[in-house]
Amino acid sequence: QKEVEQNSGPLSVPEGAIASLNCTYSDRGSQSFFWYRQYSGKSPELIMFIYSNGDKEDGRFTAQLNKASQYVSLLIRDSQPSDSATYLCAVNVWGNMLTFGGGTRLMVKP
Amino acid sequence: EAQVTQNPRYLITVTGKKLTVTCSQNMNHEYMSWYRQDPGLGLRQIYYSMNVEVTDKGDVPEGYKVSRKEKRNFPLILESPSPNQTSLYFCASSLVGIDTEAFFGQGTRLTVV
Repeated sequence: QKEVEQNSGPLSVPEGAIASLNCTYSDRGSQSFFWYRQYSGKSPELIMFIYSNGDKEDGRFTAQLNKASQYVSLLIRDSQPSDSATYLCAVNVWGNMLTFGGGTRLMVKP
Repeated sequence: EAQVTQNPRYLITVTGKKLTVTCSQNMNHEYMSWYRQDPGLGLRQIYYSMNVEVTDKGDVPEGYKVSRKEKRNFPLILESPSPNQTSLYFCASSLVGIDTEAFFGQGTRLTVV
């Protein structure tokens, strides 16, 4: 079992819809959770981080963390074609290492 | 401009020929790390460094070496590259540890033939 798992997709949503991206992790002791976006051929860039249970909102993005169920999700409201990218979930599984999931490819269709 | 700079961006080499990929950051970050990205496997951490002269193995350290003699530089060394090290490599830095945002370099696409 991978330590951080994501559905590889592609997840296809129409423009203006809500895109929901999910990530599960194996270590109950994980403390830090990140969502990175990676456009094709580019470097990952941070969208959001979350440390506490519950929701954290930043513009059109909402990160949700449920430590009891060991999942973290990212909601993108009013999805735009420019949101089409691969979204990487990253978790501090243990120590000072950051473990990434395989990423979910999102396609927003006009 | 705050950035992480990797060189070279593209490299084709032959099996067994030692190579170094350089990484430099100008943000005075303490934490630096190297990742490789392969299709279907995502980003995997190779080595990381909490500060000068402090380095630790990540998930996939075999076949790689690193050093951290200065805060700004964190080179990745492949002493004897093999074809299974063909990959896209990213260097990243964070202000303090992994609980802060990681800034990634542009990536180095390495092909070992």
